[in-house]
Amino acid sequence: AQRVTQPEKLLSVFKGAPVELKCNYSYSGSPELFWYVQYSRQRLQLLLRHISRESIKGFTADLNKGETSFHLKKPFAQEEDSAMYYCALSGPSGGYNKLIFGAGTRLAVHP
Amino acid sequence: GAVVSQHPSRVICKSGTSVKIECRSLDFQATTMFWYRQFPKQSLMLMATSNEGSKATYEQGVEKDKFLINHASLTLSTLTVTSAHPEDSSFYICSGITPGQRSYEQYFGPGTRLTVT
Repeated sequence: AQRVTQPEKLLSVFKGAPVELKCNYSYSGSPELFWYVQYSRQRLQLLLRHISRESIKGFTADLNKGETSFHLKKPFAQEEDSAMYYCALSGPSGGYNKLIFGAGTRLAVHP
Repeated sequence: GAVVSQHPSRVICKSGTSVKIECRSLDFQATTMFWYRQFPKQSLMLMATSNEGSKATYEQGVEKDKFLINHASLTLSTLTVTSAHPEDSSFYICSGITPGQRSYEQYFGPGTRLTVT
């Protein structure tokens, strides 16, 4: 079954603390993995994709095919990082034409 | 950046009635639009993919006769929930992409909260 699992509904940290939002996936084949973010009162938007292997707003995510994970990390959280984060994948069975989302994790960064 | 709007943002309707939700791409031509529904504290579930001028492709388990999708122009797609029931109450989100864009590059709308009483 194709599935994206985000085990934490809420992650609460203090400013300056490291952050790791967990994402595990189940997929037969070679999916592409993404992180999307939704800030308060804003639309869902792409944060980063595993293929680009870039750091966006200090966030990075490494695809671990052995553990089927794509955890999102940031060494020092900022208050403006508070948002809803969704992990998602697309895969060859759908022609890479659709996204499968996890349930999301709300990150709350406290001063 | 590209903007997708949805109208209405919130709607309440009575059980048994139909309700239409509009999704517009304001500054780009969306040849492909996606419709999602999201239950509280759950993930966005893709309902259907529509290409302009073609019939929508529905995901497994989505009733095409209940959720009518029309994508008659490059800037407008509509979702009509027919004979709505309380279990159809949900948050409906649309998104769009231009030709050549990959699905991950979708521009998302702000969503429409449907409550069926």
